[in-house]
Amino acid sequence: DIEMTQSPSSLPASVGDRVTITCRAGQSISRYLNWYQQKPGKAPKLLIYSASSLQSGVPSRFSGSGSGTEFTLTISSLQPEDFATYYCQQSYSTQTWTFGQGTKVEIK
Amino acid sequence: QLLLQESGPGLVKPSETLSLNCTVSGGPMSSSNDYWGWIRQPPGKGLEWIGSVFNRGNAYYNPSLRSRVTLSLDTSNKQFSMKLGSVTAADTATYYCARHYARLFFDIWGQGTVISVSS
Repeated sequence: DIEMTQSPSSLPASVGDRVTITCRAGQSISRYLNWYQQKPGKAPKLLIYSASSLQSGVPSRFSGSGSGTEFTLTISSLQPEDFATYYCQQSYSTQTWTFGQGTKVEIK
Repeated sequence: QLLLQESGPGLVKPSETLSLNCTVSGGPMSSSNDYWGWIRQPPGKGLEWIGSVFNRGNAYYNPSLRSRVTLSLDTSNKQFSMKLGSVTAADTATYYCARHYARLFFDIWGQGTVISVSS
């Protein structure tokens, strides 16, 4: 399995802040990296696929970058509805898929 | 707009088999790019991929669950299913079904069904 490690696990932030979450892969995964947002009691929602492609309907304040083993999700100006848990997921492996452990963006 | 809806028993006894269904509506499930997957989330924890099945019958499983999981597809009834055998309390979780687009990302999710394993 390809291990995915996110940092930090918890991120206190304020509305308007620029927020960056990091995801590291246990081996090179090229750009096969996706990001999800999950709010309490809800299913995850796809935000970014293939490292930097914005899913339809996702606000442009969300962006992704990286390749190889290190990736980032950036929220340019945090909005109240962005307080949530964010997960990365690798799709480099064509037979097993793994998620990071999650990063909770919470109110400072 | 494609919608997915899980259905299941809610409560399962230890050592029994958990059976879940996911019904697809609002569109076809026979695209060559579509896989159909199951993901679970224990209370207060992160996401764990369980397995994915393709409409040609190929299925892939999480190695940690492979010996206990079977996925199947019924495109004529627009459903796919999961069976997890020999359940224990560690299998208590919210179970999600999702479209696994092109074996890359999970772009459409069901709302999730809560499964508790208890005697």
